[in-house]
Amino acid sequence: GAGVSQSPRYKVAKRGQDVALRCDPISGHVSLFWYQQALGQGPEFLTYFQNEAQLDKSGLPSDRFFAERPEGSVSTLKIQRTQQEDSAVYLCASSLDGSPNTEAFFGQGTRLTVV
Amino acid sequence: AQSVTQLGSHVSVSEGALVLLRCNYSSSVPPYLFWYVQYPNQGLQLLLKYTSAATLVKGINGFEAEFKKSETSFHLTKPSAHMSDAAEYFCAVSRHQNTGNQFYFGTGTSLTVIP
Repeated sequence: GAGVSQSPRYKVAKRGQDVALRCDPISGHVSLFWYQQALGQGPEFLTYFQNEAQLDKSGLPSDRFFAERPEGSVSTLKIQRTQQEDSAVYLCASSLDGSPNTEAFFGQGTRLTVV
Repeated sequence: AQSVTQLGSHVSVSEGALVLLRCNYSSSVPPYLFWYVQYPNQGLQLLLKYTSAATLVKGINGFEAEFKKSETSFHLTKPSAHMSDAAEYFCAVSRHQNTGNQFYFGTGTSLTVIP
């Protein structure tokens, strides 16, 4: 596709419910990032993939958060037993390669509200 | 550790006035620096990036930024604000680590343009 696509755009979950957020990166992009953006804050790093390999998951806030990218393209961020503090916008980004001077292209995000 | 600091979480300017959004970075090595813009309910869009080729970087929508190593700054400017510039602006730094590439974002500056 032309850009990074995320679905759903909005998700309301009851506390304790599991959710899965999907990211379709730009075709051919090697690197994929997940960020969490709380209201009024900058994006906070969650995890990073290079192709199918999850090279960095240091930003995942707890073991309830899990991300995968099994075939090196589409990625899913799963949150188990959602809590109210998980409410945020989850942003996915992809970049052509792993070079630090290569910009990341962002999707529109998934706004998760836990009630 | 790599980080960026954005001074001023809210900036208001009159339409036609100079826009100045401040960003300072901390880095022990030359960084790769980016400015992104986020419109309401949208993902982040790249405005410009510094990759050491030139200290004055021109971006989209009339924005530019100057890398000043002596001041560890990368401030974003635009000579004349337009109503459509009202948005959230994020400064970011990237660095390649053993675990791959990662972007670190500032907390953002909300720009209001007064007619």
